[in-house]
Amino acid sequence: KAGVTQTPRYLIKTRGQQVTLSCSPISGHRSVSWYQQTPGQGLQFLFEYFSETQRNKGNFPGRFSGRQFSNSRSEMNVSTLELGDSALYLCASSLRLGTSGGELFFGEGSRLTVL
Amino acid sequence: AQKVTQAQTEISVVEKEDVTLDCVYETRDTTYYLFWYKQPPSGELVFLIRRNSFDEQNEISGRYSWNFQKSTSSFNFTITASQVVDSAVYFCALSYLNYGGSQGNLIFGKGTKLSVKP
Repeated sequence: KAGVTQTPRYLIKTRGQQVTLSCSPISGHRSVSWYQQTPGQGLQFLFEYFSETQRNKGNFPGRFSGRQFSNSRSEMNVSTLELGDSALYLCASSLRLGTSGGELFFGEGSRLTVL
Repeated sequence: AQKVTQAQTEISVVEKEDVTLDCVYETRDTTYYLFWYKQPPSGELVFLIRRNSFDEQNEISGRYSWNFQKSTSSFNFTITASQVVDSAVYFCALSYLNYGGSQGNLIFGKGTKLSVKP
């Protein structure tokens, strides 16, 4: 079956702009999580959505937001971009909420560069 | 607070050598999960193993084996007879029971970059 699909794979923005990233989970998966990966901070949890509701949130400013649609597809948005937002943004899907249901399946990520 | 430490930033070995990747975790929870993921250059994280805090049995899967020791809060990963295809960044991660009663998000270590030379 198809894996987790993230679009776009690469994008370049300038400071102050906003960006929207998309994630299509594996068919049948209802949970979508987002992680940010940077060389300095490593992999950090952003938020998790399950059944269109945010269930868990990491320690990121309000500029980072997300949503989930009825078909489980998810988007995350970053407003007023800063240089430090340059990162690989990874989406993961799973059958159930959190990690109790087993493994998280990750996409290949969206690499954002902020100039 | 929960924390995962992978002290080895980079390891380089020659093909067919055995290599062990160290992982030390900190948590005050009694119920938690430990994971290992592999990240090849393409970027996606590939799940390798999940172990719950009540199961200290070692596990072997082909050339991979894992040693979980609660007494030392360690969950080490060994690759036997390494191959060039094993070259990747390996992450150890921890998840804990959150207030909602479900296992929460993953807390990752900084990763260990493994290079296997032919």
